[in-house]
Amino acid sequence: NAGVTQTPKFQVLKTGQSMTLQCAQDMNHEYMSWYRQDPGMGLRLIHYSVGAGITDQGEVPNGYNVSRSTTEDFPLRLLSAAPSQTSVYFCASRTRWVRQGASEAFFGQGTRLTVV
Amino acid sequence: EDQVTQSPEALRLQEGESSSLNCSYTVSGLRGLFWYRQDPGKGPEFLFTLYSAGEEKEKERLKATLTKKESFLHITAPKPEDSATYLCAVLFGGGNTPLVFGKGTRLSVIA
Repeated sequence: NAGVTQTPKFQVLKTGQSMTLQCAQDMNHEYMSWYRQDPGMGLRLIHYSVGAGITDQGEVPNGYNVSRSTTEDFPLRLLSAAPSQTSVYFCASRTRWVRQGASEAFFGQGTRLTVV
Repeated sequence: EDQVTQSPEALRLQEGESSSLNCSYTVSGLRGLFWYRQDPGKGPEFLFTLYSAGEEKEKERLKATLTKKESFLHITAPKPEDSATYLCAVLFGGGNTPLVFGKGTRLSVIA
């Protein structure tokens, strides 16, 4: 069981380049999210999705696009990379079906992105 | 104002020296409070979920507790392998809201 898989693990971009960070989960989870993690800032939500075809903005959405065409995949697109987007990016998923309260989120291993 | 605040930012302990980490939250309608452990270069790893005030969960040297506005992660007789960043997250409101994280506590346990 692979869980949440992110690719690539490392990436260096030049300012102005575009790229897509991939995220796939094999747990049939409805909810998926993208976070960025910067020193001293914790995990900040970029975009999230509650199911295929449905996405919404988080705390820091500017400069990023997402789409959710399947339950399994939730790619994050950087439209025109800027040095301020240098960060570690994490994808997470969780199920909406629980007996009590809410389910925990499962995280990928992260993508370390450097924009020069 | 941060919805989830963790303290201290960093904590250095001697091996065997017990202590507690704090997570306080300002949101209402809590549906769950989650503790994660994160090792350098890795994604967060789930530890505990707490749902209601008075609830406690234990795993090895870790015990998590929850009151109406805060949670504590108690570490009893820590070992160097407990060194990590511990993250707290809350889920509140309706079913579609995502997790909101605190900034974490960096724990170092010295042998």
